[in-house]
Amino acid sequence: ETGVTQSPTHLIKTRGQQVTLRCSSQSGHNTVSWYQQALGQGPQFIFQYYREEENGRGNFPPRFSGLQFPNYSSELNVNALELDDSALYLCASSRDRGTGELFFGEGSRLTVL
Amino acid sequence: QQQVKQSPQSLIVQKGGISIINCAYENTAFDYFPWYQQFPGKGPALLIAIRPDVSEKKEGRFTISFNKSAKQFSLHIMDSQPGDSATYFCAASYNNNDMRFGAGTRLTVKP
Repeated sequence: ETGVTQSPTHLIKTRGQQVTLRCSSQSGHNTVSWYQQALGQGPQFIFQYYREEENGRGNFPPRFSGLQFPNYSSELNVNALELDDSALYLCASSRDRGTGELFFGEGSRLTVL
Repeated sequence: QQQVKQSPQSLIVQKGGISIINCAYENTAFDYFPWYQQFPGKGPALLIAIRPDVSEKKEGRFTISFNKSAKQFSLHIMDSQPGDSATYFCAASYNNNDMRFGAGTRLTVKP
């Protein structure tokens, strides 16, 4: 069973640029959630996708957007990058909407200069 | 956004000792309370979880104690080992959506 994989693992962008992060969910999982983890903090919920539709969103501005594809993989897009967007972005998949266990990937470390 | 408060921020325990981490939540609609373990450079991994219809759950050396009336829950690690040294996060959610995490506890187990 393949776990959650994320790419890229590290990337550096400058303020104002745009970034796309990718996530492949664990086999058999149809729900993907994205989290932002600032250094020394707990993960913060960005949004969740269930069967290609957004199924909940945290307190993040509209420049954070996402997609889920028919194979349940997902993308997180961030436009107009700000310095405070520097963080570890975590993708988590779950077997179905409403089930408890989240399986996290190792994250994409974004640095905004 | 944080609705889960976790303490202590850091904890140092001797090998073989008991590690205790506490969390308090605000939203009574939460129905799932997991604990995650995170090693440096890795994503969080589920350790143990509880639902509010039970007061305690034990899996090996790890136990969750849950107090619904006080809106508090805690993680106990018995016989702590150096390999348990990691950051631990409590979390809470309703219907698996918008999981709210605590700020984390960095546990160091000294040999």
